Amino acid sequence: QVQLVQSGAEVKKPGASVKVSCKASGYTFTGYYMHWVRQAPGQGLEWMGTINPSGGGTTYAQKLEGRVIMTRDTSTNTVNMELSSLRSEDTAVYYCARVRSTSGWLDAFDIWGQGTMVTVSS
Amino acid sequence: DIQMTQSPSSLSASVGDRVTITCRASQSISRYLNWYQQKPGKAPKLLIYIASSLQSGVPSRFSGSGSGTDFTLTISSLQPEDFATYYCHQSYSTPGTFGQGTKLEIK
Repeated sequence: QVQLVQSGAEVKKPGASVKVSCKASGYTFTGYYMHWVRQAPGQGLEWMGTINPSGGGTTYAQKLEGRVIMTRDTSTNTVNMELSSLRSEDTAVYYCARVRSTSGWLDAFDIWGQGTMVTVSS
Repeated sequence: DIQMTQSPSSLSASVGDRVTITCRASQSISRYLNWYQQKPGKAPKLLIYIASSLQSGVPSRFSGSGSGTDFTLTISSLQPEDFATYYCHQSYSTPGTFGQGTKLEIK
């Protein structure tokens, strides 16, 4: 079945970097854009950016530009999200989410990973 | 960025009630509006896309309507499993912004 499986929880110190992976299965990996969305404890959903698994092109949220890098590995059907210069406000659950259709990145998200908790604490 | 505003922020209702949640965009987004349900500790689940299309596997008691700037999600007869937080999301332009959420609680 179609699924996204994310890497496990992380605890990082302020200023460090974290890399979260998202492994796709059950569909043509290169056919669907992937997005990253995060959710701070008790808060709403925040869009972080998107990657085209086919060509690797990316678009990031302006507030994260310079700190976030999204990559993909077509040999393992995996997308990665690396966030650097971590601060306490980055403490959140991070989700990867696949778009519903093959028509582009502007679409609803029909398949979500299980989420990865990233805690930033000294 | 397009701002999405949901109302109410929270809502108490009983099993069997008809419930409506609204979402307003700060500018026209045509019909590029999606609705998600999220339960505690779980990832969001897509319910409705392009304003009124029901995602496969979602019960028909869920429906969506609207266009331009004003949208609604309606649950025709609340079931116990529907108590959750609901988010709207615009996919008209980047960044794809979300509403702040509506928490639906049992009365």
